[in-house]
Amino acid sequence: QKEVEQNSGPLSVPEGAIASLNCTYSDRGSQSFFWYRQYSGKSPELIMFIYSNGDKEDGRFTAQLNKASQYVSLLIRDSQPSDSATYLCAASTSGTYKYIFGTGTRLKVLA
Amino acid sequence: KAGVTQTPRYLIKTRGQQVTLSCSPISGHRSVSWYQQTPGQGLQFLFEYFSETQRNKGNFPGRFSGRQFSNSRSEMNVSTLELGDSALYLCASSRAGYTEAFFGQGTRLTVV
Repeated sequence: QKEVEQNSGPLSVPEGAIASLNCTYSDRGSQSFFWYRQYSGKSPELIMFIYSNGDKEDGRFTAQLNKASQYVSLLIRDSQPSDSATYLCAASTSGTYKYIFGTGTRLKVLA
Repeated sequence: KAGVTQTPRYLIKTRGQQVTLSCSPISGHRSVSWYQQTPGQGLQFLFEYFSETQRNKGNFPGRFSGRQFSNSRSEMNVSTLELGDSALYLCASSRAGYTEAFFGQGTRLTVV
């Protein structure tokens, strides 16, 4: 069974701190990785995607990929209470939109 | 630019009935994927359509089916509903050549 695993949390961080969210995947054929944010009662919203080893930055968000370790992470700098949500990690293989999702990590940013 | 539109937003059905959910992708997007989200199982892939053809299918029983029309709109159907089919059904659309998918607001189905 190809899996994506995340710690369910909650991960609590104070406002202004860096939140670090982690994800591991089992399928070495996975090529693309995605981070979605989902507020309670809402649908997932795409934050970032990454497919090359290393870091990718977009504003306060940095995605990191290490294919050798099968590890993906999302860093949120200067965390705000509005960042409080569930963060979903997903993986897909090349040429497909079949995403395998982790169960998500709940983030709480404390004001 | 309009996002992915799913209708209806909420549905209540009785066990044994069937249901059809609709998804209109973002303009220009030709791939539509469907997911089921439940508290216990999280987001699970149902199927994906591109240019009216099913390209991938998840591990769901044959009661779950879908189709895509020439204008890229998609429908999914669930027959002989069971209590366990109660979930948020999400549709995502993607543009050919791009890897990322964008979700609609979802249809919350409750089976009683």
